Amino acid sequence: GDSVTQMEGPVTLSEEACLTINCTYTATGYPSLFWYVQYPGEGLQLLLKATKADDKGSNKGFEATYRKETTSFHLEKGSVQVSDSAVYFCALRGAGGTSYGKLTFGQGTILTVHP
Amino acid sequence: GAGVSQSPSNKVTEKGKDVELRCDPISGHTALYWYRQSLGQGLEFLIYFQGNSAPDKSGLPSDRFSAERTGGSVSTLTIQRTQQEDSAVYLCASNQGFQETQYFGPGTRLLVL
Repeated sequence: GDSVTQMEGPVTLSEEACLTINCTYTATGYPSLFWYVQYPGEGLQLLLKATKADDKGSNKGFEATYRKETTSFHLEKGSVQVSDSAVYFCALRGAGGTSYGKLTFGQGTILTVHP
Repeated sequence: GAGVSQSPSNKVTEKGKDVELRCDPISGHTALYWYRQSLGQGLEFLIYFQGNSAPDKSGLPSDRFSAERTGGSVSTLTIQRTQQEDSAVYLCASNQGFQETQYFGPGTRLLVL
């Protein structure tokens, strides 16, 4: 079945540092890939997505590129802020058939950014 | 516009009691999903509704769990004879079709004592 393996945290960075959170997946066909973010005390929000190979999703300074050859979708940001402190989840949506659009999530990575 | 809402936001119950969790999806969204977020298991899919039918119930962990959706809108997740391992945050999401972005509610935090 589909699975997502996500870099385990927690990750602690100083403000303005570079961020990379690794995410790799196993799925048949061509899934869609997502990064969701959960800020303290809030619900899950879509951060960015990519629906086909070589697509780059971007939002709020974060980027991730759908790499079919390495089955990866790593999240990157060049300069993190204290307000980026949150839990980040990598997820995939199956390509069809009986997947019915359900999301398969990675374990989540806790990011803490210090001033 | 209004997002996905869930109630109650918190629920504390005793082991063996039944609980009902409610989800109000975004108006017009035909697809609805339930997920569970727990410390040991991360975020897991439970069940998917398209309209009032549930073509995928594969994530329900046991026959103590059931869900229904009426009028193509509100959904209720019922857990019978709750156990301590049922303690988790139960999340609901909806979208206009299974290929569209899912929007999540704030969740119901369930604690079984």
